[in-house]
Amino acid sequence: NAGVTQTPKFQVLKTGQSMTLQCAQDMNHNSMYWYRQDPGMGLRLIYYSASEGTTDKGEVPNGYNVSRLNKREFSLRLESAAPSQTSVYFCASNGQLKETQYFGPGTRLLVL
Amino acid sequence: AQSVTQPDIHITVSEGASLELRCNYSYGATPYLFWYVQSPGQGLQLLLKYFSGDTLVQGIKGFEAEFKRSQSSFNLRKPSVHWSDAAEYFCAVAASGGGADGLTFGKGTHLIIQP
Repeated sequence: NAGVTQTPKFQVLKTGQSMTLQCAQDMNHNSMYWYRQDPGMGLRLIYYSASEGTTDKGEVPNGYNVSRLNKREFSLRLESAAPSQTSVYFCASNGQLKETQYFGPGTRLLVL
Repeated sequence: AQSVTQPDIHITVSEGASLELRCNYSYGATPYLFWYVQSPGQGLQLLLKYFSGDTLVQGIKGFEAEFKRSQSSFNLRKPSVHWSDAAEYFCAVAASGGGADGLTFGKGTHLIIQP
């Protein structure tokens, strides 16, 4: 099993450009999450999907949209990138309640 | 809403010495607590978790943590650190549902190991 995979690994954008970060898991997990990590801030939840067909806002959803394409895939879209969105983005998933969240390797995004 | 405080931004420990990383949480009910480790440029790996039962939990890589409800703490310990333990450590708490609606993380503690 590959676990949680993310693409791309690194991306540079100009202010105002759009892009979609992809995440997939092969563990048949119900819940999937998007976090961003900034220096000195830890990880903060952007959006999550508790099950296929549902999505909910986390702590810092402004400027982002998500799509739970199917049970395996959960994408994060930046419609108009801003320098404040420069960050490392992590996708995670977990199965049943109280189970461990498994994290992907991250996507490093630089917005100029 | 729940919150997590990791009071120490950086900690330096000599190789072979003992380690304790502090974590305090704020949550009204019984929390679900986690410690994750992140090596440079890597994702997060779970060290251990507490849901209920025995308040001393054992994890991977020789780590353990003790849940103390009276102090709202979940401190991480290791009796003897190795150079490979140098990393960023995150404490996290989940609300109801055992984390189905996401985790709240502390800001992290950067562990430096001196030879």
